Amino acid sequence: KAGVTQTPRYLIKTRGQQVTLSCSPISGHRSVSWYQQTPGQGLQFLFEYFSETQRNKGNFPGRFSGRQFSNSRSEMNVSTLELGDSALYLCASSLESAYQETQYFGPGTRLLVL
Amino acid sequence: ILNVEQSPQSLHVQEGDSTNFTCSFPSSNFYALHWYRWETAKSPEALFVMTLNGDEKKKGRISATLNTKEGYSYLYIKGSQPEDSATYLCAFISYYNQGGKLIFGQGTELSVKP
Repeated sequence: KAGVTQTPRYLIKTRGQQVTLSCSPISGHRSVSWYQQTPGQGLQFLFEYFSETQRNKGNFPGRFSGRQFSNSRSEMNVSTLELGDSALYLCASSLESAYQETQYFGPGTRLLVL
Repeated sequence: ILNVEQSPQSLHVQEGDSTNFTCSFPSSNFYALHWYRWETAKSPEALFVMTLNGDEKKKGRISATLNTKEGYSYLYIKGSQPEDSATYLCAFISYYNQGGKLIFGQGTELSVKP
């Protein structure tokens, strides 16, 4: 079974731009979660999607949004990029629930905002 | 504000040593606790999902215990090997009537010398 895939793997953007990251979960997994990892804040939960609906949300501003498609693939969008958005963005998938089941992580997208 | 603390921050042991680290979390509104291993240049790998007070999980030389009443979980590694070198993260999940919150600790960085 193929693992979780994320595209692109690396991205450089400038302040004020927007960016869209993509995540394809393991086949059959319906829950997709997104995380941000920075040296200062560690790993932080962004949101979880299930059946095309946002089910849980972390403490991030509205510039961070996402969506999930009917095939469970998910995208995450960050608008009006700030320098502090430079981070590793990870997505993870699980069968039904990010909270009660094993999550499988993708390789991440490293975003650099200049 | 929910706080998840891990101790120690880092640990250096010799091959063959047994070691343990702690994850402390708020004891109210407990829903689940996850343990992850994160090796450099790889994705986080789920070790355990713990949901019940007194829960104990084992996977090879690694085991974990959970005490939800006092708000802590221990991760044990028996006979550490160099390949155990990684950052070990716990993630606490609390559940309110509006949804869940998933919060990571800052991790314990383990280095095992041959």
